[in-house]
Amino acid sequence: KNEVEQSPQNLTAQEGEFITINCSYSVGISALHWLQQHPGGGIVSLFMLSSGKKKHGRLIATINIQEKHSSLHITASHPRDSAVYICAVRWGGYGGATNKLIFGTGTLLAVQP
Amino acid sequence: KAGVTQTPRYLIKTRGQQVTLSCSPISGHRSVSWYQQTPGQGLQFLFEYFSETQRNKGNFPGRFSGRQFSNSRSEMNVSTLELGDSALYLCASSLVWDRGFNGYTFGSGTRLTVV
Repeated sequence: KNEVEQSPQNLTAQEGEFITINCSYSVGISALHWLQQHPGGGIVSLFMLSSGKKKHGRLIATINIQEKHSSLHITASHPRDSAVYICAVRWGGYGGATNKLIFGTGTLLAVQP
Repeated sequence: KAGVTQTPRYLIKTRGQQVTLSCSPISGHRSVSWYQQTPGQGLQFLFEYFSETQRNKGNFPGRFSGRQFSNSRSEMNVSTLELGDSALYLCASSLVWDRGFNGYTFGSGTRLTVV
């Protein structure tokens, strides 16, 4: 079983739809990241969460530490949102500090006009 | 402010050769971590550096090595290349390593093809 599980793996939506991508993890973490990767490979960090909820434009990210679960929501989706969305956790380590990230497998989102 | 710069962007090498990839972090960032992305395994942690010291290493063979210089620039080296080393190699920089950590900035990656 992967330490970070994402669902769904693939998602096709119509423009304007509300989208939810889920992430569950099984390791101790110090923070959770949502990343966006466009074709060509470049990765952009969307959110870093250690508790609660964050909002940036049409994107909302939430995390429930007790349930080890996070969601990324996209409101009023647009074709330019088409990308791979990756959940990554900053590993809590063995009492020592680390910037090591453990990644989910990603969700390929296609938003059709 | 310049972002994270990875060079080269694309590279083709032959099996058995070695390769060195470079990552220049954002000015002032002292932590650099490296990741390998393949279609089969996804993104995997390679190693991380802070203040010229390797802090953690992922589960990769000893053919994969790295270092960080006093100006925080980092290099990774892969010796005796195998076909399976074909991947996108990404580096990420952050301001600090522990307290005060405020997220990563990723480079655009180096796409290595081994033939």
